[in-house]
Amino acid sequence: AQSVTQLGSHVSVSEGALVLLRCNYSSSVPPYLFWYVQYPNQGLQLLLKYTSAATLVKGINGFEAEFKKSETSFHLTKPSAHMSDAAEYFCAVSDGSNFGNEKLTFGTGTRLTIIP
Amino acid sequence: GAVVSQHPSWVICKSGTSVKIECRSLDFQATTMFWYRQFPKQSLMLMATSNEGSKATYEQGVEKDKFLINHASLTLSTLTVTSAHPEDSSFYICSARTGQGIYEQYFGPGTRLTVT
Repeated sequence: AQSVTQLGSHVSVSEGALVLLRCNYSSSVPPYLFWYVQYPNQGLQLLLKYTSAATLVKGINGFEAEFKKSETSFHLTKPSAHMSDAAEYFCAVSDGSNFGNEKLTFGTGTRLTIIP
Repeated sequence: GAVVSQHPSWVICKSGTSVKIECRSLDFQATTMFWYRQFPKQSLMLMATSNEGSKATYEQGVEKDKFLINHASLTLSTLTVTSAHPEDSSFYICSARTGQGIYEQYFGPGTRLTVT
């Protein structure tokens, strides 16, 4: 069984400050890990994904995440927050070895607020 | 590329009636589509997985007779909420995967269902 824990349901940062959203996973097999962003009343947009290649993954909108197996973490960062980054962020894990039957398990989400 | 649409974007129906939600992959063939339910300010919960031409696989606790899923073609899946009740009010999101490359899911914009 897989699970994802997102620490902090709400995170507030000042515009221009570092964004750090935390995600820890649990998986008995090598995981695929994803970060998604959701704007109000919209679906999810993929920010980035880890699929067992490079441990530092760069995504869209200046976001990146680092896979740390020893810490079972996949934290999302952005050096300088922008007002448009305000949204809900979800970390998700899937079973990378279960080809064709992978399911995404989502964390509970982190609401990011940007302070002007 | 990899655009998924949903129709309608929002719907209001009376208790006891049925409502159908469509999920379409616009520029790719989706071998698998997923249906999720999202309660306000909560994460996405997988309801079912549907493969084209076969019966959907429902997650534990999801009533298959209430949430009818049809995946008649490689670009269309439908979710019908039968005999809707106010507790069925939610945000329903579909996703689709191409079956190629890394098994990434592309999400639709969601459908807001309100049952009165």
